[in-house]
Amino acid sequence: AQRVTQPEKLLSVFKGAPVELKCNYSYSGSPELFWYVQYSRQRLQLLLRHISRESIKGFTADLNKGETSFHLKKPFAQEEDSAMYYCALSGSRGSTLGRLYFGRGTQLTVWP
Amino acid sequence: NAGVTQTPKFRVLKTGQSMTLLCAQDMNHEYMYWYRQDPGMGLRLIHYSVGEGTTAKGEVPDGYNVSRLKKQNFLLGLESAAPSQTSVYFCASSSLAGGPKFTDTQYFGPGTRLTVL
Repeated sequence: AQRVTQPEKLLSVFKGAPVELKCNYSYSGSPELFWYVQYSRQRLQLLLRHISRESIKGFTADLNKGETSFHLKKPFAQEEDSAMYYCALSGSRGSTLGRLYFGRGTQLTVWP
Repeated sequence: NAGVTQTPKFRVLKTGQSMTLLCAQDMNHEYMYWYRQDPGMGLRLIHYSVGEGTTAKGEVPDGYNVSRLKKQNFLLGLESAAPSQTSVYFCASSSLAGGPKFTDTQYFGPGTRLTVL
């Protein structure tokens, strides 16, 4: 069965420090992985997806199939990065196609 | 281009009352979804639709019904509200990516905060 695990409910760092939000997944196939972000009082929006191999707002995420992980990283955190971050998986076949499976989210706080 | 809109934004119900949440999208997306967001639980899929006239159950469908009579609208109904349905409800839509394998980005509405007393 498909599952997304974000082990940290809360994460706090100081401005300028590196930040890593962890995400592990289980899926018997080749999923697509996403990071969505929800800033305070805003709607959920896509931050990045592994298939695009982009860096958005300084964030990157590498899909590690051996460790089934898709950790989100940024070398120098900014206060405006404070938000709730969700890792999500999209299946590639059958009833999982078109659906997103979300982790429980990590609330990131970046202190000045 | 409004994207995904939801009405109402807030609602308070008494146990046993019914209501319908409306989601509308103007991006001509095939797929539409209803999620609920609860503290510590992330987003959980209630129901979804892969096209006009079709719906399917997600992870937590009990107590909810949906309809997709028009491509641009997706309705979520609560027939007899319960306190356990107090939550923030999000609608989303997406198109199927160019290839057959993966979906495109999901675009979310602003949410409806529902309280059931």
